[in-house]
Amino acid sequence: NAGVMQNPRHLVRRRGQEARLRCSPMKGHSHVYWYRQLPEEGLKFMVYLQKENIIDESGMPKERFSAEFPKEGPSILRIQQVVRGDSAAYFCASSPTSGGSDTQYFGPGTRLTVL
Amino acid sequence: AQSVTQLDSQVPVFEEAPVELRCNYSSSVSVYLFWYVQYPNQGLQLLLKYLSGSTLVKGINGFEAEFNKSQTSFHLRKPSVHISDTAEYFCAVSETGDDKIIFGKGTRLHILP
Repeated sequence: NAGVMQNPRHLVRRRGQEARLRCSPMKGHSHVYWYRQLPEEGLKFMVYLQKENIIDESGMPKERFSAEFPKEGPSILRIQQVVRGDSAAYFCASSPTSGGSDTQYFGPGTRLTVL
Repeated sequence: AQSVTQLDSQVPVFEEAPVELRCNYSSSVSVYLFWYVQYPNQGLQLLLKYLSGSTLVKGINGFEAEFNKSQTSFHLRKPSVHISDTAEYFCAVSETGDDKIIFGKGTRLHILP
């Protein structure tokens, strides 16, 4: 059973460009979470999605950031008009159920560098 | 609001010595508690978790943690560390019924030869 997959592993963008990060959850998992890790910081929750639904986006910046988890295909975290402060590692996690007690399995992350 | 404090940003320890990584949390409701490990340039791996029941939780790689409700702590311990334990360790909390996990800032464990 393959783990959580994220691609690309490294992404370089210039200021003003769009960044698109992909996450394929573990097989059988329908709950996806996105976290951001800034340098020297812990992970910060961004958004929680189920298939075709955003359940909790309380950690998402109000502008430029969006996320989706379509019926088919991976979950996408999209950052429009990137700025230097968006440089971070973005981790996706998945779980089979919701409620917090189930383990969230993390992917290897996408490291975004904005020049 | 819930929060997690990891008191030590870095902990150096000699190989085969015991180690304790400290974690305190704050929450007004009952919680689940987790310790994750992150090896360089990798994602997070669950070491152990406390949901309910026995306050002493055993995890992978010889780690264990004890939930202390009165002190709102969940310290991680290992009796004898190995060079392969060099990594960053994150304590985390989620409120029961909530889906998001709140992470501490992490503790870097340096194993000295």
